Amino acid sequence: GAGVSQSPSNKVTEKGKDVELRCDPISGHTALYWYRQRLGQGLEFLIYFQGNSAPDKSGLPSDRFSAERTGESVSTLTIQRTQQEDSAVYLCASSLSERSYNEQFFGPGTRLTVL
Amino acid sequence: LAKTTQPISMDSYEGQEVNITCSHNNIATNDYITWYQQFPSQGPRFIIQGYKTKVTNEVASLFIPADRKSSTLSLPRVSLSDTAVYYCLVGVVDSGNTPLVFGKGTRLSVIA
Repeated sequence: GAGVSQSPSNKVTEKGKDVELRCDPISGHTALYWYRQRLGQGLEFLIYFQGNSAPDKSGLPSDRFSAERTGESVSTLTIQRTQQEDSAVYLCASSLSERSYNEQFFGPGTRLTVL
Repeated sequence: LAKTTQPISMDSYEGQEVNITCSHNNIATNDYITWYQQFPSQGPRFIIQGYKTKVTNEVASLFIPADRKSSTLSLPRVSLSDTAVYYCLVGVVDSGNTPLVFGKGTRLSVIA
């Protein structure tokens, strides 16, 4: 079946603008994660959604970052008043909550460049 | 989550076996060891996971000694397409999915 998809694949914006990044998880996956990956670095956890539970926002770096998820489907990561340090690849992943081990399936990412 | 340490980079020739070792001295009793692979411009991909001894699948083998303070990912007869970053992760595996903690990984370069 289809994997995790993300859009846009690339986004160039000017400092101070707001951006929205979209993630379509694998159908039936109740858990959804957002990560950020700066050039040459590992992944930083941002936020995690699990079913109808309150999201785990512990990784969001500032109040300029927020995310929503509609039921168990699409999620949107919003970055307000973008800064140059927000430039990175934003990765979305989903997984089955009932699995006994947390294998996560990643999308291709959105490369954000803030000028 | 237990901290992991792995080499920053490794080089190998095609056809060789590659072993990447990860140290996790503070691994907890309930922790599993998981390896992900990330190709350039792609998201990470799950490779293998284990708790103790040896696990093998169609992609790799994972060797875990009795004290579980380290683990070794073994890639048999690598090809150029195995050039990627390999991440070692350690954490609790349960029905409540939790975010993964990725370090910088090991950048494997396979040379013809």
